[in-house]
Amino acid sequence: ETGVTQTPRHLVMGMTNKKSLKCEQHLGHNAMYWYKQSAKKPLELMFVYSLEERVENNSVPSRFSPECPNSSHLFLHLHTLQPEDSALYLCASSQDLSYGGRGSPLHFGNGTRLTVT
Amino acid sequence: AQKITQTQPGMFVQEKEAVTLDCTYDTSDQSYGLFWYKQPSSGEMIFLIYQGSYDEQNATEGRYSLNFQKARKSANLVISASQLGDSAMYFCAMREGEPEGGSEKLVFGKGTKLTVNP
Repeated sequence: ETGVTQTPRHLVMGMTNKKSLKCEQHLGHNAMYWYKQSAKKPLELMFVYSLEERVENNSVPSRFSPECPNSSHLFLHLHTLQPEDSALYLCASSQDLSYGGRGSPLHFGNGTRLTVT
Repeated sequence: AQKITQTQPGMFVQEKEAVTLDCTYDTSDQSYGLFWYKQPSSGEMIFLIYQGSYDEQNATEGRYSLNFQKARKSANLVISASQLGDSAMYFCAMREGEPEGGSEKLVFGKGTKLTVNP
């Protein structure tokens, strides 16, 4: 496999459920990211990991909990979500923590379409 | 205030024609970078082209070129010879801050939906 793989592609969950989104990158990159894409809004950066250490948390509610066990895997654990959390969640990686500088653009996965009922 | 403005929510173009997607940005940094990404209906964001603020020449990548007008703070994407597969959302993004300091931020616009008609 190549690139950035996200599972599942689609997820429907109730507000009391606990679920996890998974991201795996096969590019040998050192930095990984979670973005949220809501309808008619710009992409919102949620979390950034560099070499398995969290380096950024953009005021994301605690019902979203990231985990980066190694540089190839990133999880987003979901708990007690709200309907407004329904969105496309995109994982990305880059060679280093440069947010996509020259020679190191972000590589995105296909995303997980999350619906909270 | 928005950092990245894409004024065209939707654009239509005939196959084989060229199309320009607008992007203006706002920054006080001297060093910054501008990106365009394509997002087909599958959801994946695909990197298309990059322009650094100090680059003197406009970036080109195959059928994609970036019309960089620094004084006007615009970074329009030009797609030549449009193909049906070009139908997608297109996002302009800007990197601010110093890469070595780890303080960079990448800010995206709201996107333009391009439809290529046969």
